[in-house]
Amino acid sequence: GAVVSQHPSWVICKSGTSVKIECRSLDFQATTMFWYRQFPKQSLMLMATSNEGSKATYEQGVEKDKFLINHASLTLSTLTVTSAHPEDSSFYICSARDPQANEKLFFGSGTQLSVL
Amino acid sequence: GESVGLHLPTLSVQEGDNSIINCAYSNSASDYFIWYKQESGKGPQFIIDIRSNMDKRQGQRVTVLLNKTVKHLSLQIAATQPGDSAVYFCAENIKEYGNKLVFGAGTILRVKS
Repeated sequence: GAVVSQHPSWVICKSGTSVKIECRSLDFQATTMFWYRQFPKQSLMLMATSNEGSKATYEQGVEKDKFLINHASLTLSTLTVTSAHPEDSSFYICSARDPQANEKLFFGSGTQLSVL
Repeated sequence: GESVGLHLPTLSVQEGDNSIINCAYSNSASDYFIWYKQESGKGPQFIIDIRSNMDKRQGQRVTVLLNKTVKHLSLQIAATQPGDSAVYFCAENIKEYGNKLVFGAGTILRVKS
C-alpha cells in the first residue's frame, strides 16, 4: 500500500517552545491530509483537515493559532504546536488520502510529543 | 473534535478462538467504513473496509459485517493469534462533512496463549 512518513517519531521539548511535525506521502500525491491526536488508552481525535494550497479546516475546539498547519505541496503537510505546554503532550498522527487507491486513507507512524 | 474519547474496553480470547469486535457508528450519512489495528506507539494499520451498499465483506481471516438499520459494525477474526493482540478501531467516512474519517472508541484485543 501507499506509504506515509511522519517525522519525528518522538520529541521532547521545554514548555513554551514550538515543535514542528512533518507528514509526507512518499509514493503518491495527497491533496488532503488529516491530523489526529491520541491520548493514552483513547481513540484518535480528528484535529484538522489539511488542504493543499489552502487553509486548513479545524475541528470544533481545536485552536488554529496553537496548532498551525501548512500544506504547501502535494506531498507534505506540517503541524506546528506553538508555545507547547505539558497538556499538549500527546501522540499526534497524520494521514493522507491516496486518490489512486480509491481515496483510501493511509496513516503515518505517529509522533509522541512530551512537553516538560 | 467529533471522535469519541472514551477509555477502551478489553476483549480477551484464547489463541485459536474466533474474535468478534463490535462498533456502533454515529452518522446515518456515512458511506464507507474501515477497521484499523493499532499496536502500541504506532499509527493505525488498515485491516478491511466496507462500503455502505454492502453488508458483508471477507478478507484473509477477517470478516466485516455492516448493519445500517442499527448503525452497527463488527469485525470477526478467525483463529485468533497472539500477533492479533492490539487495539482495534472502526472508523466511518462522513461525506457530508467533507469526507472526514471519524474514529470509534476502540477495543483492546488480548490473545491468551
